[in-house]
Amino acid sequence: EAGVTQSPTHLIKTRGQQVTLRCSPISGHTSVYWYQQALGLGLQFLLWYDEGEERNRGNFPPRFSGRQFPNYSSELNVNALELEDSALYLCASPPGRANTGELFFGEGSRLTVL
Amino acid sequence: AQSVAQPEDQVNVAEGNPLTVKCTYSVSGNPYLFWYVQYPNRGLQFLLKYITGDNLVKGSYGFEAEFNKSQTSFHLKKPSALVSDSALYFCAVRDKTGSSGSARQLTFGSGTQLTVLP
Repeated sequence: EAGVTQSPTHLIKTRGQQVTLRCSPISGHTSVYWYQQALGLGLQFLLWYDEGEERNRGNFPPRFSGRQFPNYSSELNVNALELEDSALYLCASPPGRANTGELFFGEGSRLTVL
Repeated sequence: AQSVAQPEDQVNVAEGNPLTVKCTYSVSGNPYLFWYVQYPNRGLQFLLKYITGDNLVKGSYGFEAEFNKSQTSFHLKKPSALVSDSALYFCAVRDKTGSSGSARQLTFGSGTQLTVLP
């Protein structure tokens, strides 16, 4: 079975622009988690979607938003890009609703804001 | 709130020597604990987890970790390091009793860069 897939793999934007990142979880997995991995800051939790609804969000401003589609794929949108938004954005899905913790991660989308 | 501390940004070890990557955690209830590895320009790969039972957990690639409740630690270990083990290692925690959204996602440490020298 295919793993978690993300697109695009790399992109470059300028300050003030908007970006949309995409994620498809492992087939049959209903939850999607988004994390930001900025240099030197580890992984910061961004958003959690399950069954099409936003279930929780991390400590990020409202210009970070997203959605989950009926097929459980997800988009992360970032508006009014700032230089500090440069990071690797990782999408992950757990193996099921019980969520004992393992997350399967995609390869990430590396965003550079100039 | 749950948190993870990885006190060492960088660990260097000679090939063939034992390695330890340290992790301490804080949760309000009982923890689920995890180790992940990240190779350059890649996503994270799951290594091992502690849910309950034996304090010594064995995982992929010969890694193991020891859960110590009194010290709230979950250090990652390997008896004999390989150059190919060089990577970024993340410890993560989740509160086992959490039912709200804020407790269900994993909280990660800041990562430890392991370099195994030939």
